[in-house]
Amino acid sequence: DQQVKQNSPSLSVQEGRISILNCDYTNSMFDYFLWYKKYPAEGPTFLISISSIKDKNEDGRFTVFLNKSAKHLSLHIVPSQPGDSAVYFCAASDGSQGNLIFGKGTKLSVKP
Amino acid sequence: DAGVIQSPRHEVTEMGQEVTLRCKPISGHDYLFWYRQTMMRGLELLIYFNNNVPIDDSGMPEDRFSAKMPNASFSTLKIQPSEPRDSAVYFCASSDEWISYGYTFGSGTRLTVV
Repeated sequence: DQQVKQNSPSLSVQEGRISILNCDYTNSMFDYFLWYKKYPAEGPTFLISISSIKDKNEDGRFTVFLNKSAKHLSLHIVPSQPGDSAVYFCAASDGSQGNLIFGKGTKLSVKP
Repeated sequence: DAGVIQSPRHEVTEMGQEVTLRCKPISGHDYLFWYRQTMMRGLELLIYFNNNVPIDDSGMPEDRFSAKMPNASFSTLKIQPSEPRDSAVYFCASSDEWISYGYTFGSGTRLTVV
């Protein structure tokens, strides 16, 4: 059973608009959440994270929102740029040693 | 730092052959992880090491899979014998703290078993 779910396999957005990528989780013990970005033929790269003690974390154009009661987090990219086109993975951890649970990813396409 | 280095980038092998994937983690990182990416299952953890010691191998799918870390700068993932369903992209990642800034991933090895 998937503990981290990204229900949208793909998302297409116009350049300059907002991209919103969603992630749901089932394990209430998760207390740290990360987003990774992956370009073709490359490994995933860390983008932004959030601890369960916060409900928002911002880094430039990227903002992650956490709703613990709904077990939901989202990544907002504003404004979206063509270079943001990639697969975005949501990941979660319960604090136990060395295990990140990844979602299956959402492929974002930002069109000029 | 050159990052996490994996070799080979691509591997095509025949069913039944032995396959060895290699990884050099970032110097100073205490944790090393092997992940597999498939369309069906996404990114799944196979095994991870802490200070060269295997900690959790519960994700290794079968006894055909084995992993070693003989020293802090090198790890291997071996599949023997390989099967077509092993075809996937295998990623190695390393970390100096287990979660704070995430893991640094290598570029992956795309394995095709025919």
